Amino acid sequence: GQNIDQPTEMTATEGAIVQINCTYQTSGFNGLFWYQQHAGEAPTFLSYNVLDGLEEKGRFSSFLSRSKGYSYLLLKELQMKDSASYLCAVREGNAGKSTFGDGTTLTVKP
Amino acid sequence: ETGVTQSPTHLIKTRGQQVTLRCSSQSGHNTVSWYQQALGQGPQFIFQYYREEENGRGNFPPRFSGLQFPNYSSELNVNALELDDSALYLCASSSAPTDNYGYTFGSGTRLTVV
Repeated sequence: GQNIDQPTEMTATEGAIVQINCTYQTSGFNGLFWYQQHAGEAPTFLSYNVLDGLEEKGRFSSFLSRSKGYSYLLLKELQMKDSASYLCAVREGNAGKSTFGDGTTLTVKP
Repeated sequence: ETGVTQSPTHLIKTRGQQVTLRCSSQSGHNTVSWYQQALGQGPQFIFQYYREEENGRGNFPPRFSGLQFPNYSSELNVNALELDDSALYLCASSSAPTDNYGYTFGSGTRLTVV
């Protein structure tokens, strides 16, 4: 089984940088995903990491350390529209099952 | 390309009844996963279908069952509804069970059991 931990809530200022951490325990790691979910909407895919290191995609970057069971999502130049829940999800084995954390609710203030 | 569409968007059922939720996967996707999301929680994996076969199941009782059709659309059936089944049910499609592009989610079906 899997256990995924991420902070429940974070607050940051418009224009700033925020880092959302995720730790996990798994018995068959096969990739880590980050999703963004605005209130009342479906999650949307942000990033995917399967090897150690940093993946950069515009204002969003995601880092993975498999040996530490640790990932973070870095959001730069925060905008008000970035206020949302950010979900960390770990895929286990070859069956494609992804287990989600409960999400980090990010509030961006002016 | 069309995205993932789910129907209905909202549904109210009485405890003990049965419900069928439907999902049309994104064009080109052959894998569909179903998730249950309670308020304030992350999505919980129900099961996945790949090329019409079940390809993994989460910790849900057998009264949760599913189907995938030759056009890769899918159904989630829940029998003997319980109050705790009230949640947002999300369908997610992907191009393969272990692709690198993540899920494309539908907007979900909000099920309320009274």
